[in-house]
Amino acid sequence: DAKTTQPTSMDCAEGRAANLPCNHSTISGNEYVYWYRQIHSQGPQYIIHGLKNNETNEMASLIITEDRKSSTLILPHATLRDTAVYYCIVRDLNSGGYQKVTFGTGTKLQVIP
Amino acid sequence: DGGITQSPKYLFRKEGQNVTLSCEQNLNHDAMYWYRQDPGQGLRLIYYSQIVNDFQKGDIAEGYSVSREKKESFPLTVTSAQKNPTAFYLCASSIDSGTVNEQFFGPGTRLTVL
Repeated sequence: DAKTTQPTSMDCAEGRAANLPCNHSTISGNEYVYWYRQIHSQGPQYIIHGLKNNETNEMASLIITEDRKSSTLILPHATLRDTAVYYCIVRDLNSGGYQKVTFGTGTKLQVIP
Repeated sequence: DGGITQSPKYLFRKEGQNVTLSCEQNLNHDAMYWYRQDPGQGLRLIYYSQIVNDFQKGDIAEGYSVSREKKESFPLTVTSAQKNPTAFYLCASSIDSGTVNEQFFGPGTRLTVL
């Protein structure tokens, strides 16, 4: 799986959009971009994933650049409950067999009142 | 409600004792995983199982053992051979390891070895 690079930490004002970047410059054509988040002392929670088109669900939006070398997770109206560590992961769903998920250190998002 | 459970949430053991962490899921998922997380770090894979009666070592399997006798259960034993067992342990499951959509994680067990 390709390696990802994320900023160590970010702050966001409550009610504003939180834009979390992720660099995955070595991503291959079959690899999807996944985002998870982990609230303190809890298990990680799936947020969203995409291949090349932008995606939106009830939690967030995922914007993937045209060259697919980077992406941005957008939380449109951050709340204090969104304070968490956000992990960006890339993985190939088509290679068959076990898909190891490598969680790096992620971005620690602090939503400020 | 469907989900994945881990028990207990907090566990204390004396050094040199083996301890078994429970992980149960009622999501009918084939694949299950155990991760370890240390403070300020990401998750590291200990063991995973794609199907009943089969499991594979992850990146840091030394000092740990698992079993998968039932689809719903994937207990992890932290043995006395694990040199630094104090950590946050996370269990996860997914529908099928070949075409994984996402992993569902349990709430975790925080193990402290005194």
